[in-house]
Amino acid sequence: DIQMTQSPSSLSASVGDRVTITCRASRNIVNYLIWYQQKPGEAPKLLIYAASSLQSGVPSRFSGSGSGTEFTLTIDSLQPEDFASYYCQHNYIIPYSFGQGTKLNI
Amino acid sequence: EIQLVESGGGLIRPGGSLRLSCAASGFTVSNTYMTWVRQAPGKGLEWLSIIYDNGGTYYADSVKGRFTISRDTSKNTLYLQMNNLRADDTAVFYCARISNSSDHYYMDVWGKGTMVTVSS
Repeated sequence: DIQMTQSPSSLSASVGDRVTITCRASRNIVNYLIWYQQKPGEAPKLLIYAASSLQSGVPSRFSGSGSGTEFTLTIDSLQPEDFASYYCQHNYIIPYSFGQGTKLNI
Repeated sequence: EIQLVESGGGLIRPGGSLRLSCAASGFTVSNTYMTWVRQAPGKGLEWLSIIYDNGGTYYADSVKGRFTISRDTSKNTLYLQMNNLRADDTAVFYCARISNSSDHYYMDVWGKGTMVTVSS
């Protein structure tokens, strides 16, 4: 099975900051990497698929990059509604495992 | 409107069984891939199972042999039959639609989740 490791596990930032979250895969997953956002008490929300493709309706301050085993999610100019948890997930092969999550705190 | 609504969660004793339902609207469950994901209290997301449009299914090792994913075309509903439940199955269970773009598959529609608590 492919293991996904996110860093950091938590991150403190301020409105207007630029933040980067990293996700590493235990083997090459090309660009089969997805990012989700989850707010407390809510279901996850799709942000980015294929490592860098922005889902329709997601603000352009969110961007993804990477290939192979290392990927990043960048949020430019943090907004109050961005404080949430973020998860990466690979869809290279079954089982589609998630990273452990990164909690973005104010 | 495209949406998923889960139901069937609750309190169940260890060793018991429960069937979760996920009613879809705005799209046809049997024409797409569907999946179940769970989240234990205060923990991260765990992928559980997938059913393909051709009916093929796969499971995570943690639930293989205990959980069964299925669908009812006439009711446009996805199910997760859970048997021999354990305390570590306690979680919010989400169903999700999987869409694809150029061979990339991603969960783009999620239900709000249903809570399952396994406790004596």
